[in-house]
Amino acid sequence: KQEVTQIPAALSVPEGENLVLNCSFTDSAIYNLQWFRQDPGKGLTSLLLIQSSQREQTSGRLNASLDKSSGRSTLYIAASQPGDSATYLCAVKRDTGNQFYFGTGTSLTVIP
Amino acid sequence: DAGITQSPRHKVTETGTPVTLRCHQTENHRYMYWYRQDPGHGLRLIHYSYGVKDTDKGEVSDGYSVSRSKTEDFLLTLESATSSQTSVYFCAIGQGRETQYFGPGTRLLVL
Repeated sequence: KQEVTQIPAALSVPEGENLVLNCSFTDSAIYNLQWFRQDPGKGLTSLLLIQSSQREQTSGRLNASLDKSSGRSTLYIAASQPGDSATYLCAVKRDTGNQFYFGTGTSLTVIP
Repeated sequence: DAGITQSPRHKVTETGTPVTLRCHQTENHRYMYWYRQDPGHGLRLIHYSYGVKDTDKGEVSDGYSVSRSKTEDFLLTLESATSSQTSVYFCAIGQGRETQYFGPGTRLLVL
């Protein structure tokens, strides 16, 4: 079974700071890894999808990296803003099957 | 947002009663999923469907059943609700092994 861990569980930073969120997974036989954002009381919104053959993906101020062999991914947020406050979840899809395995998320608060 | 709706959005029910949650999509995606989200556990897959009348179990399927008679609708049924099934339920859709698009969620409280 794939275990996905996200550390820290919560993070508070001042506005403008760059930050890194971490995701680790136990089985390196993955098909892809995805980062989602969840606002309170809402569903999940996809931020970045990294295929197993890729090392990173970028979208605006967000950059996600993947090191499949070590079972790690990071989400880098540049110049954080209060609107970035949300819970960030990573999810891994294995080589076989259609199931995503989710981490428990990192709750980010950006203080104005 | 992808065209996914869930109904009801909120429900309070009593232990032992049957409950059905509905997921409706307008995207004609082949795959549909039901997850539950609980503090400390993240999202866990209950059941998924890979086509009309084609379904399979996820990691937490006990106590749940599903049906998909049309491409656009995926129903999740709790035959006899228990307090441990109090949770937020999310439906998701996808075309294959790529990204999934999530609905807004249903908050279920079983008293």
